[in-house]
Amino acid sequence: DIQMTQSPSSLSASVGDRVTITCRASQGISHYLAWYQQKPGKVPKVLIYGASTLQSGVPSRFSGSGSGTDFTLTISSLQPEDVATYYCQKYNSAPYTFGQGTKLEI
Amino acid sequence: EVQLVESGGGLVKPGGSLRLSCAASGFTFSRYTMNWVRQAPGKGLEWVASISSISSYLHYADSMKGRFTISRDNAKNSLDLQMDSLRVEDTGVYFCAPPPEVAAAGTGYWGQGTLVLVSS
Repeated sequence: DIQMTQSPSSLSASVGDRVTITCRASQGISHYLAWYQQKPGKVPKVLIYGASTLQSGVPSRFSGSGSGTDFTLTISSLQPEDVATYYCQKYNSAPYTFGQGTKLEI
Repeated sequence: EVQLVESGGGLVKPGGSLRLSCAASGFTFSRYTMNWVRQAPGKGLEWVASISSISSYLHYADSMKGRFTISRDNAKNSLDLQMDSLRVEDTGVYFCAPPPEVAAAGTGYWGQGTLVLVSS
């Protein structure tokens, strides 16, 4: 099975910082990579699918890139409301494995 | 608008059974593979099982194989998860999850999930 490895597992940054979270697949998954945001006590929300397509309503400071095995989620200017845990997920074929998550703090 | 409403969770003893259900609306349910995802308390997201659009292909995470059974009724836009031989480590919130592009067509959120507590 393909493993999904996120880094870092936790991250502390300041308001206005550029933040990058990476996700690496142990084998190629083309562009079948989604990013989820889960705020404390809330249900997960899809931010990005197809590696780079933003869900409508997601602020443009979020962006996704990558293909194959290496992917990134970038927040261009961190805002207080971005405090959350972020997960990547492969969805090219089962098992639809998640990364272990990246906890982002201000 | 995509809506997912999970139900059926509760308190069950180790070795017991539960059947979870998910009512889906706001998208053409019968076209898409559907998934169950769970989250143990304080832990990350874990994919549990998936079922293809017309139930041709079923897949399970290794720790669920032989204990959990996923099924769907496209006429009723419903997804089920039969959970048998439950273990303490199966405790968590269980979410019904469509493909990410389907969730993204709505608000992006999954349903609220249903809590399963396995305890003696």
